[in-house]
Amino acid sequence: DQQVKQNSPSLSVQEGRISILNCDYTNSMFDYFLWYKKYPAEGPTFLISISSIKDKNEDGRFTVFLNKSAKHLSLHIVPSQPGDSAVYFCAASGGSGTYKYIFGTGTRLKVLA
Amino acid sequence: GAGVSQSPRYKVAKRGQDVALRCDPISGHVSLFWYQQALGQGPEFLTYFQNEAQLDKSGLPSDRFFAERPEGSVSTLKIQRTQQEDSAVYLCASSSANYEETQYFGPGTRLLVL
Repeated sequence: DQQVKQNSPSLSVQEGRISILNCDYTNSMFDYFLWYKKYPAEGPTFLISISSIKDKNEDGRFTVFLNKSAKHLSLHIVPSQPGDSAVYFCAASGGSGTYKYIFGTGTRLKVLA
Repeated sequence: GAGVSQSPRYKVAKRGQDVALRCDPISGHVSLFWYQQALGQGPEFLTYFQNEAQLDKSGLPSDRFFAERPEGSVSTLKIQRTQQEDSAVYLCASSSANYEETQYFGPGTRLLVL
């Protein structure tokens, strides 16, 4: 039973355009969500997070949107740059005392110059 | 600035061999986590330490897997009698005083069991 799903294994976007990566979850106890970026042969790098008390969090070119009723979150990258090409993982945690992150399977983003 | 470091970065083991994977967390980070990432999958939780106390080992796949953090800093993940299905990337992460803080990951150890 996969509690965090990233249904698009890959995405290609032109440089300068918007990249939208999606993530769905099933566990209503999740209250903290994160996005990590991963380059080959490196560990995941923290990108941005959002608490369930918010519906939007912005950091520079990166914005995460949370729709609790739909159990859906998305990461928007504007404008996309070639250096953004990587695998993006969404992760969730939640419930009192819950510290383990549950990860999706990742979306490979390719930004075309 | 020193992030999370892991060694070795790559390990090839013969089936049945014991291996030990090391993690050096960010200095001062109280919480330490181990995850396993199979090819094409996201990381999956293995175990969690707060200082030297192992508070959760529910993700360890079998009793061949053992983790320790004796002095509350460096941690070692040991796999005994390795099997081919143990082949994966093993990621270590740490977070500051409160486990609810963001986890920062090391580069991982890629283990291949032949």
